[in-house]
Amino acid sequence: AQSVTQLDSQVPVFEEAPVELRCNYSSSVSVYLFWYVQYPNQGLQLLLKYLSGSTLVKGINGFEAEFNKSQTSFHLRKPSVHISDTAEYFCAVNNQAGTALIFGKGTTLSVSS
Amino acid sequence: DAGITQSPRHKVTETGTPVTLRCHQTENHRYMYWYRQDPGHGLRLIHYSYGVKDTDKGEVSDGYSVSRSKTEDFLLTLESATSSQTSVYFCAISGHREDGYTFGSGTRLTVV
Repeated sequence: AQSVTQLDSQVPVFEEAPVELRCNYSSSVSVYLFWYVQYPNQGLQLLLKYLSGSTLVKGINGFEAEFNKSQTSFHLRKPSVHISDTAEYFCAVNNQAGTALIFGKGTTLSVSS
Repeated sequence: DAGITQSPRHKVTETGTPVTLRCHQTENHRYMYWYRQDPGHGLRLIHYSYGVKDTDKGEVSDGYSVSRSKTEDFLLTLESATSSQTSVYFCAISGHREDGYTFGSGTRLTVV
């Protein structure tokens, strides 16, 4: 069965530092991979997605992610974070039937000055 | 979020009472989903729908039922609320699985 593991539950960083949020997945079928962001007391917003093709995908707010099939990873990166990036980030993969997304448990990114 | 609304936004209910949460969309999307979000668990799928009257169970469906009589509405019912169902409930919609989801703003449910 498909599953998603977000390797860090919390990531504290200083403003303007680079950040990487790690996501590993397991799947026996072709995958679609997604990253979502959730700001406090809000719903989730799509940051970026990988469907096929180029393994480096760019999303909103300066985020990018790299799909690595051999390592079954889809890590999210940003070269320089802002205070406003403080939020919870979720990695997701389609389930085996392709009918729904399976989410990781989330990574809380805390950016301080 | 544009095109999807959840109601109510907050609700407090007593143990043993039935509760219905509503998700309404104006996007005419085929797929609709109910997830619950709990600290340390992320989002877990309760039920989903792939068309009018077509629904299926997710990983945490016990104690929940759903109905979709119209494309635009997807109802989640807690048949007899328990304290373990205290959570934030999110509805999501999708036109095609490649598109990902659009999420509603969530319903915070407290069962006392």
